[in-house]
Amino acid sequence: QVQLVESGGGVVQPGRSLRLSCAASGFTLSNYGMHWVRQAPGKGLEWVAVISYDGNKKYYADSVKGRFTISRETSKNTLYLQMNSLRAEDTAVYYCAKCLQAAAGPLDFWGLGTLVTVSS
Amino acid sequence: QLVLTQSPSASASLGASVKVTCTLSSGHSSYAIAWHQQQPEKGPRYLMKLNSDGTHTKGDGIPDRFSGSSSGAERYLTISSLQSEDEADYYCQTWGTGFVVFGGGTKLTVL
Repeated sequence: QVQLVESGGGVVQPGRSLRLSCAASGFTLSNYGMHWVRQAPGKGLEWVAVISYDGNKKYYADSVKGRFTISRETSKNTLYLQMNSLRAEDTAVYYCAKCLQAAAGPLDFWGLGTLVTVSS
Repeated sequence: QLVLTQSPSASASLGASVKVTCTLSSGHSSYAIAWHQQQPEKGPRYLMKLNSDGTHTKGDGIPDRFSGSSSGAERYLTISSLQSEDEADYYCQTWGTGFVVFGGGTKLTVL
């Protein structure tokens, strides 16, 4: 069965970097678009980034463009989010999610999330 | 700009039915959406994909009590025979090439 397990969260100072990982099982990353979505404490869901099924296209929310980078390692079936120049407003639970299809579509499986806290 | 609008809260009694609404912004009434459920302290769970014609495809293991329908720019999630575990936040989501948009969420209280 499909499973997504995020890791790499923690407490980090403003301006520093962090890399999140999402280990996928039960399906092959290279067949589906993959997303990162975040949720600030007490707030709603905010889309962060997507990588296409073939890894060639990457898109970002304006709030993270130029600071975050989405990538994947197909040999490990793992998705990553490199987060640089972190700000207090990046504090959130970060979820990875699988797209239902190869191209754009609904997110049909979610991980349990990993908490990132940006604080001095 | 593509925006999804949801009422912040809804409530209904145990065993009753409730309809949660998601409204697409002007000019985007043909878009399909997805519904997701987020129970307290848990990650989101995909419920269904809902097309503009009202046809919908549910995720694995989603009970028959959950159904979807559409009318114009409105997309609905109906939950019948409400159970205590249905108390949760419900989010609608849509998408295009290179972007995903979420509604603000509806907090459902089961009385």
